[in-house]
Amino acid sequence: ETGVTQTPRHLVMGMTNKKSLKCEQHLGHNAMYWYKQSAKKPLELMFVYSLEERVENNSVPSRFSPECPNSSHLFLHLHTLQPEDSALYLCASSQETGLEKLFFGSGTQLSVL
Amino acid sequence: AQTVTQSQPEMSVQEAETVTLSCTYDTSESNYYLFWYKQPPSRQMILVIRQEAYKQQNATENRFSVNFQKAAKSFSLKISDSQLGDTAMYFCAFMKHRGSQGNLIFGKGTKLSVKP
Repeated sequence: ETGVTQTPRHLVMGMTNKKSLKCEQHLGHNAMYWYKQSAKKPLELMFVYSLEERVENNSVPSRFSPECPNSSHLFLHLHTLQPEDSALYLCASSQETGLEKLFFGSGTQLSVL
Repeated sequence: AQTVTQSQPEMSVQEAETVTLSCTYDTSESNYYLFWYKQPPSRQMILVIRQEAYKQQNATENRFSVNFQKAAKSFSLKISDSQLGDTAMYFCAFMKHRGSQGNLIFGKGTKLSVKP
């Protein structure tokens, strides 16, 4: 089992659906992250949480809504997405923000129809 | 703004041989970290090696080593004795030393195929 677990592994949704991505880390870390990996662009940071508080929102549209109820869990709530939002969404964690070693999960492959 | 460029979209190497993946970056920062991450078909990003910019000595991790040229802003990865399990996407990444908030700046990646 990896230290960072993401579910579901694959998700297909329509533009009017509401769905959530889940991430859980078993490493005792204090910081968690959402990254987006699309086919035509490099991985890009979406959100950062430190001790359950959001410390970074990298100009992400409001149709993506993160939630961090505790230091081990991170969610990404999705609503009214566009086809261009289809991508691999990767969760990561680290001991603290600003430290260099991030541990990644295996991602959720999202397809928006 | 920082940028990371990987100029080789795809590469291949024979098993047991050596291959070098290229990466250049642009930054005005004086202190930062550089990384190589590996993403196999399982999709999990795995840290291969990291380099701290203030250290002149090139980092090594078993069969993986880097050639860090700070003045040229170049950070290449050398894989020695290539193995079939090295087949993956390889991403070069940059992080500022201070105030980064975990923001890794990635290149577009190089797809490496190790052939038997």
